[in-house]
Amino acid sequence: EDQVTQSPEALRLQEGESSSLNCSYTVSGLRGLFWYRQDPGKGPEFLFTLYSAGEEKEKERLKATLTKKESFLHITAPKPEDSATYLCAVQASGGFKTIFGAGTRLFVKA
Amino acid sequence: NAGVTQTPKFQVLKTGQSMTLQCAQDMNHNSMYWYRQDPGMGLRLIYYSASEGTTDKGEVPNGYNVSRLNKREFSLRLESAAPSQTSVYFCASSEWSGRGGNQETQYFGPGTRLLVL
Repeated sequence: EDQVTQSPEALRLQEGESSSLNCSYTVSGLRGLFWYRQDPGKGPEFLFTLYSAGEEKEKERLKATLTKKESFLHITAPKPEDSATYLCAVQASGGFKTIFGAGTRLFVKA
Repeated sequence: NAGVTQTPKFQVLKTGQSMTLQCAQDMNHNSMYWYRQDPGMGLRLIYYSASEGTTDKGEVPNGYNVSRLNKREFSLRLESAAPSQTSVYFCASSEWSGRGGNQETQYFGPGTRLLVL
C-alpha cells in the first residue's frame, strides 16, 4: 500500500537555527514527490517537485532532497515567517492519486 | 488570474441537510480534485476529474457526489450531511510538466470549512 509518513509532527526552532523535516514514503513506482507549504486557514501552496533519487531543489531558505525511500526539506537560518505546516505528497506512476502525509508544523521564534 | 476559487468559505449544516460546494479555476487546467483535510490525517482525495466529462472516485467517496460542469467548474455535493463530514474541503486543479510532461502539480483553493451538527 502506498504510504507517506512525515516527521516530526511539530518542530520548534529559534530564528537562525537550521534543521530538517523528513518525509518517508513507500510507493509502487514514484512519478513525483511534492512539497507544499500551508498557512493556517489557507490552502496548500506548491514549493517543489522532485522526480528521481539524488535530485535537489532550492528556494530561498528551503532545500529539498530525494532518496529512494525518503525526502528531506532542509531549512537554513529560518525566520518567523517560515512558520507554517509543510506537507509532503507522492504520486505513483499509472494513476491520478496524490497521497499526502499528515504534515510537519514548524514554529520559528524570533 | 484568480487561480482556484471556492464558495462558500464557511457553512454550518444540520444532520440530513444537503448542500453543494462550488469550485472554479481560470488556469485552463484539465484535471480537478476534491480533498478533505482532517486534523492529523492529511489530505484525502474524495473525487477527481481527469478531464471535462469524466469523474472518478478517490480514497473516501462515500456520502459525496460530484459534477464536472465544464472545464472551469467542479462541484461537490453532500446529499445528506453527517457529523463525520465535518471537515475542511479543498478543491485543486493541476497542470502537467517535468521531463516528458508526466509530472503533475496541483494548485489549491482557499478551502471551505464545513460544520455538521
